[in-house]
Amino acid sequence: NAGVMQNPRHLVRRRGQEARLRCSPMKGHSHVYWYRQLPEEGLKFMVYLQKENIIDESGMPKERFSAEFPKEGPSILRIQQVVRGDSAAYFCASSPYRDPPDAFFGQGTRLTVV
Amino acid sequence: AQSVTQPDIHITVSEGASLELRCNYSYGATPYLFWYVQSPGQGLQLLLKYFSGDTLVQGIKGFEAEFKRSQSSFNLRKPSVHWSDAAEYFCAVGRLNSGYSTLTFGKGTMLLVSP
Repeated sequence: NAGVMQNPRHLVRRRGQEARLRCSPMKGHSHVYWYRQLPEEGLKFMVYLQKENIIDESGMPKERFSAEFPKEGPSILRIQQVVRGDSAAYFCASSPYRDPPDAFFGQGTRLTVV
Repeated sequence: AQSVTQPDIHITVSEGASLELRCNYSYGATPYLFWYVQSPGQGLQLLLKYFSGDTLVQGIKGFEAEFKRSQSSFNLRKPSVHWSDAAEYFCAVGRLNSGYSTLTFGKGTMLLVSP
């Protein structure tokens, strides 16, 4: 059973470009969470999705950020018009349950904005 | 709002010595508690978790943690540290909200292992 797969592992974007981060959950997991790790700040919750639904996006910036988890295919975290402050590691986790959060994390995507 | 405190930013332990990493949380109910480990440039690996029941939890790689409700703590322990344990360790609390939970993380403790 493959783990949570994230790609790309590293992504470099110029300011103003779009970044698309992909996450394929573990087989049988229908709950996906995105977290962001900024230097010196630790990991912060961004968004929680179930298939085709956003359940909680309270940690996601209102502007430029969006997330989806379609019926088929991976979950996508999309950042439009990236700025230097978006440089961070973005981690996806998946869980087979809504509760408790038995979350397994991917290797992360390290976004660098130049 | 709930919070997680890991009071030690860095800890250095000699190889073969015992280890205890501290974690305190604030939360209004019995939380879900986790310890994760992250090696440089890698993702987070779950070491152990507490949902309910026995307050002493055994995890992978010889780690254990004890939930102490009276102290709001969930400290991670290992009796004998190996050089390969050098990494960053994160304590996390599961916050129950309308039937689902998301995780709040501490800022991490970097473990250095000296020969």
